[in-house]
Amino acid sequence: KQEVTQIPAALSVPEGENLVLNCSFTDSAIYNLQWFRQDPGKGLTSLLLIQSSQREQTSGRLNASLDKSSGRSTLYIAASQPGDSATYLCAVLYGNNRLAFGKGNQVVVIP
Amino acid sequence: DTAVSQTPKYLVTQMGNDKSIKCEQNLGHDTMYWYKQDSKKFLKIMFSYNNKELIINETVPNRFSPKSPDKAHLNLHINSLELGDSAVYFCASSQESHGTGHEQYFGPGTRLTVT
Repeated sequence: KQEVTQIPAALSVPEGENLVLNCSFTDSAIYNLQWFRQDPGKGLTSLLLIQSSQREQTSGRLNASLDKSSGRSTLYIAASQPGDSATYLCAVLYGNNRLAFGKGNQVVVIP
Repeated sequence: DTAVSQTPKYLVTQMGNDKSIKCEQNLGHDTMYWYKQDSKKFLKIMFSYNNKELIINETVPNRFSPKSPDKAHLNLHINSLELGDSAVYFCASSQESHGTGHEQYFGPGTRLTVT
């Protein structure tokens, strides 16, 4: 069964601290892994896409790593800001374009 | 310019009614999807279409019927709506994968409330 787990489900950090969000998946036969951001009542914004052959991707203050063999990905957000408060979703793409989502990490950055 | 758009944004209706949600993408993608996000915020794929052909059909009740008039549009028709159908429905699109993974782009969602 292709399950995606995100830990912790929710966290609060003071502004300026680095954020570390974890994602694990049970089936390592993935094509890629995407991190999304979802604001309350809004749609999904794609943050980073890591292909199965890659180890990490970076965009500004965001860095995502992928360890396919151990079924793990980590999203790092450096120097967090209140505007980073949102739910972060990890999604793993399997064959036939089947995207499996985790339940999200709900982040609150305290000013 | 909106890449993936959905209409309506909000839909409130009574049990037993039939309703449709429309989705359009202007990215030139070949593959489109419908996802359902339930009250616990868990997102799950419902359908996938590639060049107007149904690729993925998860265990979704027959009351849900996707229709793709062309590769830029994927509509979702729901018959005999039930309370449990209340959720946010997201449309998405991507390039055809041919065995490699392409990024999926999501629409803003349609919040369906069945009373």
